[in-house]
Amino acid sequence: GAVVSQHPSWVICKSGTSVKIECRSLDFQATTMFWYRQFPKQSLMLMATSNEGSKATYEQGVEKDKFLINHASLTLSTLTVTSAHPEDSSFYICSARVERGVLAKNIQYFGAGTRLSVL
Amino acid sequence: GENVGLHLPTLSVQEGDNSIINCAYSNSASDYFIWYKQESGKGPQFIIDIRSNMDKRQGQRVTVLLNKTVKHLSLQIAATQPGDSAVYFCAENIGGGGADGLTFGKGTHLIIQP
Repeated sequence: GAVVSQHPSWVICKSGTSVKIECRSLDFQATTMFWYRQFPKQSLMLMATSNEGSKATYEQGVEKDKFLINHASLTLSTLTVTSAHPEDSSFYICSARVERGVLAKNIQYFGAGTRLSVL
Repeated sequence: GENVGLHLPTLSVQEGDNSIINCAYSNSASDYFIWYKQESGKGPQFIIDIRSNMDKRQGQRVTVLLNKTVKHLSLQIAATQPGDSAVYFCAENIGGGGADGLTFGKGTHLIIQP
């Protein structure tokens, strides 16, 4: 259980185009999903919190108009990188929170990540 | 952030030996900690977690120790195997309730020598 699927796993696009990345919770519902970004040999940095049925919450320094997040259902969140440029090339990873009861902490399970290369 | 521009530290261990990976955190308000394992080109995989009201928790071949006094977390892996080679990250949850995203540490690249 607790499987998070991310698609595509790798995408190459031209500068100026937009790219959509999907994150799905396969065997559980997730009211909250998270999007992270990871540069080579570095740690993961939280970009935004995706909330089902409401607007995403972005971390400081992350442009909400550039990284559009939609969480239209309890099993799907999408991240769209708009007008992508070479500096947006990175490894994008989503996670979904599994609730295990009111008093328990919520473990986050991660997707396999999407490698974006912008030419 | 502090992780930008820094290369991952490396820990090299002989197969069969025990590994200890350390992590320092800075926010005393953090109350939930998790260790993740990340293999090349993949997403982080949950290993073990611990709440701030505990100082030790054991799993299968892994033990997490938490020292809140010095804000230090460690992951002990017993009898390391080649499959343990990966980058290990500690992560902390700030804000309580698990509702917020995670703040990840710098990571340690564990290499298992045959």
